[in-house]
Amino acid sequence: ETGVTQTPRHLVMGMTNKKSLKCEQHLGHNAMYWYKQSAKKPLELMFVYSLEERVENNSVPSRFSPECPNSSHLFLHLHTLQPEDSALYLCASSQDVEAASNQPQHFGDGTRLSIL
Amino acid sequence: GQNIDQPTEMTATEGAIVQINCTYQTSGFNGLFWYQQHAGEAPTFLSYNVLDGLEEKGRFSSFLSRSKGYSYLLLKELQMKDSASYLCAVSDSNYQLIWGAGTKLIIKP
Repeated sequence: ETGVTQTPRHLVMGMTNKKSLKCEQHLGHNAMYWYKQSAKKPLELMFVYSLEERVENNSVPSRFSPECPNSSHLFLHLHTLQPEDSALYLCASSQDVEAASNQPQHFGDGTRLSIL
Repeated sequence: GQNIDQPTEMTATEGAIVQINCTYQTSGFNGLFWYQQHAGEAPTFLSYNVLDGLEEKGRFSSFLSRSKGYSYLLLKELQMKDSASYLCAVSDSNYQLIWGAGTKLIIKP
């Protein structure tokens, strides 16, 4: 139990579908992150939120839309995805963005996304 | 560009010792992390090094040489449950985490 919960664990969707991934952290952290993990590739940072404000957007396609309604919840809305978007999507949190440089991030188990 | 290199896969025997290397070229350095990730699970924190030298935590130790841009994770008395991927990540001058692709460690009886 890492204190970060992601749902669903698995998701299969067609390219025209719209779905959302959910992340909830119970650690009282102020920063939350979305990562994409593809086989044999480094973790790709997608979005960073600090106190519900987006502070980082690493050139992610607009078909991925994040939402952070409060410091405990983070969503990733998906629409019109492509087959190359199939991957494991990981959510993480840290005390704050600056602390992530010397304090560990806490990860959820991820959502395994498959695009048909 | 910024780069983290670690072996893709390693195999070791139960009860033995294994060393997983990580070399990095980054714009600045504010620390190096090691994480363990079992298949289908969350990465979990193992160690953090910011000063040169060896940090020991039970069966796991992590070493850092900043002048060489090099770290290793040493796992002793290997157990079957140590089969996992091990991720190396460096915090650069902008406090961004740069990640390696991970090393898949296979433990054989």
